[in-house]
Amino acid sequence: GAVVSQHPSWVICKSGTSVKIECRSLDFQATTMFWYRQFPKQSLMLMATSNEGSKATYEQGVEKDKFLINHASLTLSTLTVTSAHPEDSSFYICSAGTLFGPGTRLTVL
Amino acid sequence: GDSVTQMEGPVTLSEEAFLTINCTYTATGYPSLFWYVQYPGEGLQLLLKATKADDKGSNKGFEATYRKETTSFHLEKGSVQVSDSAVYFCALSLNTGFQKLVFGTGTRLLVSP
Repeated sequence: GAVVSQHPSWVICKSGTSVKIECRSLDFQATTMFWYRQFPKQSLMLMATSNEGSKATYEQGVEKDKFLINHASLTLSTLTVTSAHPEDSSFYICSAGTLFGPGTRLTVL
Repeated sequence: GDSVTQMEGPVTLSEEAFLTINCTYTATGYPSLFWYVQYPGEGLQLLLKATKADDKGSNKGFEATYRKETTSFHLEKGSVQVSDSAVYFCALSLNTGFQKLVFGTGTRLLVSP
């Protein structure tokens, strides 16, 4: 059945490096995907809307140069956290329609 | 703006107790309403949804009724189990296709044997 997958499920990186997170729709195509961020014991905050073949739409307060989104195909969107810092440590979740990926836990040392 | 308000947790219950988690919303349009569940260490799973007034969504013994007059979508279950322990999120969407979601803060449910 239709599923949204994410890779990796967790990643640890050094401060100043960049990390790429993949979000894939399996058994269906998604022209639009969404990226959320979840802080510990808090709700999900929408970061941006990923649009296949065009630029992503970012929510207010989200730095587009820091969180690069690419929606290269109808089944793949990527989020790259550039020059990561400890405050970027969080749980990143993507969605397509009502389906959510399992999330990626990023820890920046 | 559009928003969702949930009761604060944690909600602590004994097994077989009755559960209610309150959810109210504010929306400029006519939203679809959702409950999602997040089990420990896992991603969000859609629990149930309702798309119009008086609709009742139900799944796994949980149910919620879309009440337009009170702008509410309270989650209920008649007899909770230990395995229901999780965080429950109420959400709304004004987009067709239920894509862009606005979430409440989540309510943690703890069920003890």
